Amino acid sequence: AQSVTQLDSHVSVSEGTPVLLRCNYSSSYSPSLFWYVQHPNKGLQLLLKYTSAATLVKGINGFEAEFKKSETSFHLTKPSAHMSDAAEYFCVVSEVDNYGQNFVFGPGTRLSVLP
Amino acid sequence: DTGVSQDPRHKITKRGQNVTFRCDPISEHNRLYWYRQTLGQGPEFLTYFQNEAQLEKSRLLSDRFSAERPKGSFSTLEIQRTEQGDSAMYLCASQSGETQYFGPGTRLLVL
Repeated sequence: AQSVTQLDSHVSVSEGTPVLLRCNYSSSYSPSLFWYVQHPNKGLQLLLKYTSAATLVKGINGFEAEFKKSETSFHLTKPSAHMSDAAEYFCVVSEVDNYGQNFVFGPGTRLSVLP
Repeated sequence: DTGVSQDPRHKITKRGQNVTFRCDPISEHNRLYWYRQTLGQGPEFLTYFQNEAQLEKSRLLSDRFSAERPKGSFSTLEIQRTEQGDSAMYLCASQSGETQYFGPGTRLLVL
């Protein structure tokens, strides 16, 4: 069975500084991994996904994530934070089981960006 | 707008009443998922459809919950005899390839 751990419930950075949101997963097979962002009172938006192609994945709004199988990690990074990046971020692991594709969300990391 | 839509966006009800939510997925997406999200938590899987067939249900989905997707297009989620613990955001997602696309959610408050 899959599971997702997001090591930080809250991360606070200053505008213009790098962002690192950590995610570790467990999966029985070869998983697909996703990062979603949720702004207040908005729906979940896909940032990026890893589906067994290149291990360094580029997403929208300057975000990247690197799949490291040996560390079972999929950390999300951005070189320079913007005020508009303040939101809740969810790491998601997915694998195919007997019923279809199963998605498991992490508990989320709230990113605050200080001026 | 051709994204996933959900109706209503907000629902306030009294304990014991029945409520029904609707989800319209992106057209041609065969897979449709329902999730529940409580404050400060990530979405939790409730149930999943492949076309009109309901293939999997979470143990979170008690007997008071029922979901349908009669023609393989829109889906409804009904909660009977609502309880205060049912207060949450109910999210619908449709899937293309390996990616889910989420609707804005229906926020339920049970008084």
